[in-house]
Amino acid sequence: DSGVTQTPKHLITATGQRVTLRCSPRSGDLSVYWYQQSLDQGLQFLIQYYNGEERAKGNILERFSAQQFPDLHSELNLSSLELGDSALYFCASSGGKDTSYYGYTFGSGTRLTVV
Amino acid sequence: DAKTTQPTSMDCAEGRAANLPCNHSTISGNEYVYWYRQIHSQGPQYIIHGLKNNETNEMASLIITEDRKSSTLILPHATLRDTAVYYCIVVGGADGLTFGKGTHLIIQP
Repeated sequence: DSGVTQTPKHLITATGQRVTLRCSPRSGDLSVYWYQQSLDQGLQFLIQYYNGEERAKGNILERFSAQQFPDLHSELNLSSLELGDSALYFCASSGGKDTSYYGYTFGSGTRLTVV
Repeated sequence: DAKTTQPTSMDCAEGRAANLPCNHSTISGNEYVYWYRQIHSQGPQYIIHGLKNNETNEMASLIITEDRKSSTLILPHATLRDTAVYYCIVVGGADGLTFGKGTHLIIQP
């Protein structure tokens, strides 16, 4: 158990639908990162939040959004889902703003299947 | 724009040391070298990181060359459970972790 909790573990939904993935960071960690891993793309950074505020953005589609709440948990919202959004979605957390001094701890992921 | 170069795959016999190389010839003075691994479809797992000096922890050793242009991750006594994709990542300051394709290490019985 890494200390980073992601729910649900598996999600199956239809094209056009909207889903919310949830992440609880490791106790004391202020940064949350979201990654997408599909078969042909590898691990792609989506977005980072630090203490409730967006800090960095990667290759996140406009149909996707995220937020971090006062209790530091984060949610990734995926809307107008397409077949190509089927992937593993990982959340990671770290203690600070910058990666150099703090490694990331990853959760076990949410497997999203769009049918 | 990859900052690191790693072999696509490597084999190692169980019980032997696994030595995974990584080239990072454009590394800057304030950038760290991080190693993570991912066992099939699980979340990536932190292994070790370093700036200039060699580092060792309970999982592995990291050897960084004096010019910092390359490094080697050493798993001293590889087991079947070490079969995974190993990622070498260079990161500094506010940069996030950018994963490349990594090295698929296969431990042979």
